[in-house]
Amino acid sequence: GQQLNQSPQSMFIQEGEDVSMNCTSSSIFNTWLWYKQDPGEGPVLLIALYKAGELTSNGRLTAQFGITRKDSFLNISASIPSDVGIYFCAGPALGETSGSRLTFGEGTQLTVNP
Amino acid sequence: EPEVTQTPSHQVTQMGQEVILRCVPISNHLYFYWYRQILGQKVEFLVSFYNNEISEKSEIFDDQFSVERPDGSNFTLKIRSTKLEDSAMYFCASSSQNSPLHFGNGTRLTVT
Repeated sequence: GQQLNQSPQSMFIQEGEDVSMNCTSSSIFNTWLWYKQDPGEGPVLLIALYKAGELTSNGRLTAQFGITRKDSFLNISASIPSDVGIYFCAGPALGETSGSRLTFGEGTQLTVNP
Repeated sequence: EPEVTQTPSHQVTQMGQEVILRCVPISNHLYFYWYRQILGQKVEFLVSFYNNEISEKSEIFDDQFSVERPDGSNFTLKIRSTKLEDSAMYFCASSSQNSPLHFGNGTRLTVT
């Protein structure tokens, strides 16, 4: 099956620092989604990307859909303590809609030290 | 903002028992899903459901699993005879056509 490789697995940063994480796949994706999961809760959608090359922002978050359609990155600027959590990339396979079966990455665990 | 709600938040059961996990999807959504997350691992797809039938299922979703939409609002996942390895967080999700999935907060299932 499809696999998404997410890196880094974990990050420990100081409050105020910028963060970057990325996701790669051997398969082409036609949608990239970035979710955040807080402890004991379900994944919450942060950003959805639908076009190769697309760069989208949501507050301090910025994500890009790679030109090859096989990768995406998520940046967080000026991190704050509530950014702590696990960040997952996810996507449906080529030919499937964003509302169908999703493959998730392994997640990046972010820790922000005040 | 409308949300997906799941009950119970935590279910403890003995091996071999049946469990039913319940979900109320967002009201105008038509596509429903179950995912699971074993502790410390990634979220994995189990099944998708549309128009009162399963549209896709993964290899995890074997004969001991079933889903049902018993009325206009609930969507349930039944595990007939639980095994230790079924212990996980189970997430329900819903979406409208071509929209990203919205997830509930999950049910933590512990099989002893």
